[in-house]
Amino acid sequence: DTEVTQTPKHLVMGMTNKKSLKCEQHMGHRAMYWYKQKAKKPPELMFVYSYEKLSINESVPSRFSPECPNSSLLNLHLHALQPEDSALYLCASSQVASGVPGGELFFGEGSRLTVL
Amino acid sequence: RKEVEQDPGPFNVPEGATVAFNCTYSNSASQSFFWYRQDCRKEPKLLMSVYSSGNEDGRFTAQLNRASQYISLLIRDSKLSDSATYLCVVNIGNEKLTFGTGTRLTIIP
Repeated sequence: DTEVTQTPKHLVMGMTNKKSLKCEQHMGHRAMYWYKQKAKKPPELMFVYSYEKLSINESVPSRFSPECPNSSLLNLHLHALQPEDSALYLCASSQVASGVPGGELFFGEGSRLTVL
Repeated sequence: RKEVEQDPGPFNVPEGATVAFNCTYSNSASQSFFWYRQDCRKEPKLLMSVYSSGNEDGRFTAQLNRASQYISLLIRDSKLSDSATYLCVVNIGNEKLTFGTGTRLTIIP
């Protein structure tokens, strides 16, 4: 069982809606990540938070807005999304920044988003 | 050249056989290497880290070749439950892990 918990597991939203995806981990990890995965494609990095500060934004459109309220929580706020944003959104955490040995990523089960 | 490349497969292998995958990476400064497996409609799960000297975990062996910039995964005595997509993951900069496209493996009874 994963120790990274994501909610909701499924989300359907219209293009004018505002919704949020939530992620929580209690492993004491200091880095948290959002990845986006389309069918039959690998996960693509969106954002990295390291010690609760945004350290990487992979040129993600502003309709995706991340937030890290504390070291255990990570949110992804969604607004004015497009149908092509439909995907599996994966949250991950790691003990240290992933560029350092020991920085294995541990994933949540994902939130499957459908934008109508 | 892509940052991380894998043969997408599919690899269809009889049960009990040995199968190997390679993954090449472009950044010679990369320090962290991992193999993940992903089952259909599930999240990726860490299979094993890859260490410079090579490492083994049961039926799985991972190797790193820095000179040629590739990592490999060998699965011995393959089981039906090994059917999955195997993702090579490499750090291409601090805090940035990049996934290969994945290799799809099907073990045939």
